Amino acid sequence: NAGVMQNPRHLVRRRGQEARLRCSPMKGHSHVYWYRQLPEEGLKFMVYLQKENIIDESGMPKERFSAEFPKEGPSILRIQQVVRGDSAAYFCASSPPSQYSGNTIYFGEGSWLTVV
Amino acid sequence: GDSVTQMEGPVTLSEEAFLTINCTYTATGYPSLFWYVQYPGEGLQLLLKATKADDKGSNKGFEATYRKETTSFHLEKGSVQVSDSAVYFCALLPGYSSASKIIFGSGTRLSIRP
Repeated sequence: NAGVMQNPRHLVRRRGQEARLRCSPMKGHSHVYWYRQLPEEGLKFMVYLQKENIIDESGMPKERFSAEFPKEGPSILRIQQVVRGDSAAYFCASSPPSQYSGNTIYFGEGSWLTVV
Repeated sequence: GDSVTQMEGPVTLSEEAFLTINCTYTATGYPSLFWYVQYPGEGLQLLLKATKADDKGSNKGFEATYRKETTSFHLEKGSVQVSDSAVYFCALLPGYSSASKIIFGSGTRLSIRP
């Protein structure tokens, strides 16, 4: 059973370009989370999605950032007009659909974005 | 709101020393608690978890006990190795809703000297 798959692992963008990060959840998981980790800092929640639905986007910057999780295909985190401050590791996590609070969230290996 | 506070690092120990990394939490209801480990340049790996009071999670010689009375989930290991050098994150998943996000502490960097 493959884990959470993220790509690309490393991405370099010039200021003003767009960055697209993809995340395929574990098999059977329908919930996806995106977190951002700035250099030498902890993880900050960005957005929580189910298929075709954003559940919680309280951690998303108001501008330039968007996320989707379509019915088919991976979840996409999109950053438009990137700036140097967007340089960070972006982690995706997934969990199964359940009301049980003991579910574990599994993380991907991360996508490291560098803006030059 | 719900939150996690963990001991600030960096923590530097000699090989075979005893390790404790403190973690306390604030939460409504009955959260699940986790420790994740991040090795340099890698993603987060689940180290251990506990889903109810007095549960003990354990893995690779690490242990943590869910203490509701002290709202704590301290990570311990009896004899650390150089390979344990990493950043450790304490985290909680609120128990009051399925539409909940996992909340992380700020991380504790652990360095083990040979």
